[in-house]
Amino acid sequence: EAGVAQSPRYKIIEKRQSVAFWCNPISGHATLYWYQQILGQGPKLLIQFQNNGVVDDSQLPKDRFSAERLKGVDSTLKIQPAKLEDSAVYLCASSLEVRGQQFFGPGTRLTVL
Amino acid sequence: GIQVEQSPPDLILQEGANSTLRCNFSDSVNNLQWFHQNPWGQLINLFYIPSGTKQNGRLSATTVATERYSLLYISSSQTTDSGVYFCAVARNSGNTPLVFGKGTRLSVIA
Repeated sequence: EAGVAQSPRYKIIEKRQSVAFWCNPISGHATLYWYQQILGQGPKLLIQFQNNGVVDDSQLPKDRFSAERLKGVDSTLKIQPAKLEDSAVYLCASSLEVRGQQFFGPGTRLTVL
Repeated sequence: GIQVEQSPPDLILQEGANSTLRCNFSDSVNNLQWFHQNPWGQLINLFYIPSGTKQNGRLSATTVATERYSLLYISSSQTTDSGVYFCAVARNSGNTPLVFGKGTRLSVIA
C-alpha cells in the first residue's frame, strides 16, 4: 500500500513570494491533515479535511494561508505572500476516519529568505 | 488548551539498553498516538493507544487514561531507534485536533 505522497520535498523562496504544496493521501483515507513543524518543535495542525469539507482550520493564518481538497482526494496548501517565519517543514497526514491513526508523508522543507 | 509534557527531553543509550519514555497530559483524552521521527524527518506512527497496553516487537506502550499519562518502552535498543519520539493527544470533547508534545530526543550509540 502506497503511503502519503508530498511534493516538492524542498523549496526555497524569497519573502513575499507565493508557494504551493501538494499532498496525495493513502487511498481510501477520508481525513487529511496539514501540519507545520518548526525546527525543534512538534507538529502543529493547520487544517483538517473530512472528504472535501473543512473540519478544523482554527490555527490556519487565513490572511496568507489557504488550502483546498477538491474531490476529496488530493490537497494543496498555499502561502501567499510568504514571511520569514513561515520557514518550516509542512507535513501532510491522513487517517481512515476523523479520530483515527494518522500516517504522515515525508514533508516539504520550506526556506523563506 | 491541553498541555502535553514529555520526559526526558534527551536520552543517550548504549546499544542493547532498555528505556522508558513518559507522556503526561493535562485533560481527559480519547485519542493518544506515539510517533517516531527519524533523523531524515519522516514521522512514523508507532501506536494508537488511548488506553491499555499494546506491543509491537521491541516496542510497547501503556496508557493509563484515568491518571493522565502514557509510557513508551523500548527494549534492546538499536542505532536505528535514534530520533525524536512524540506523544500526541486529543481531548474527549468534540473533534479536537491532536496536540503534540515537544518530544524526547533519543540517541543510541554502538
